[in-house]
Amino acid sequence: GAGVSQSPSNKVTEKGKDVELRCDPISGHTALYWYRQSLGQGLEFLIYFQGNSAPDKSGLPSDRFSAERTGGSVSTLTIQRTQQEDSAVYLCASSLGLLTALSGNTIYFGEGSWLTVV
Amino acid sequence: QKEVEQNSGPLSVPEGAIASLNCTYSDRGSQSFFWYRQYSGKSPELIMFIYSNGDKEDGRFTAQLNKASQYVSLLIRDSQPSDSATYLCAVNNPGGYNKLIFGAGTRLAVHP
Repeated sequence: GAGVSQSPSNKVTEKGKDVELRCDPISGHTALYWYRQSLGQGLEFLIYFQGNSAPDKSGLPSDRFSAERTGGSVSTLTIQRTQQEDSAVYLCASSLGLLTALSGNTIYFGEGSWLTVV
Repeated sequence: QKEVEQNSGPLSVPEGAIASLNCTYSDRGSQSFFWYRQYSGKSPELIMFIYSNGDKEDGRFTAQLNKASQYVSLLIRDSQPSDSATYLCAVNNPGGYNKLIFGAGTRLAVHP
């Protein structure tokens, strides 16, 4: 697609429910990233995919968070048993490949999924 | 020490002035440096990137990199009210994994 597409754009859920957030990266982009941004805060790295594998999951806050990517394209971020502190914007981004000076690649963000846990 | 540090601001400048946004980073192995702009309620959008020491100009924007001092800055010439946003500095993680580490951002306010 022309840009990174995320759905849903807004989600209100009750505490304790599970939610799934979807990301469709830019066509041809092999790398995919999930970040989280709480209100008024900076971007917090969650997980990075290269193809379908996730070499870096170091940012996932707890075992309630998981993510997968299939077909080297669409990714799903799942939050189980949501808590109020999970309320944030979840931003997906993609890049053509490695972020090195030689490649000149950078990451492009989707519009985000705004999650509110009540 | 945070990996990427920025002054949170707000930085207030009059219309037409030069806005100077600064960023320091902790890992000397970082190679790639990016500036993103984020309007309130919107996702970050890339302004420019820089890899080599010195200045890189793109329109009204100039990125400056000093690897010895671990310092990167963004200058905005002829600032406009439409430039009012949060500016995020991002650095690639040289630790072997392919990701960007973001600073908390500097809020810029350009007043008429």
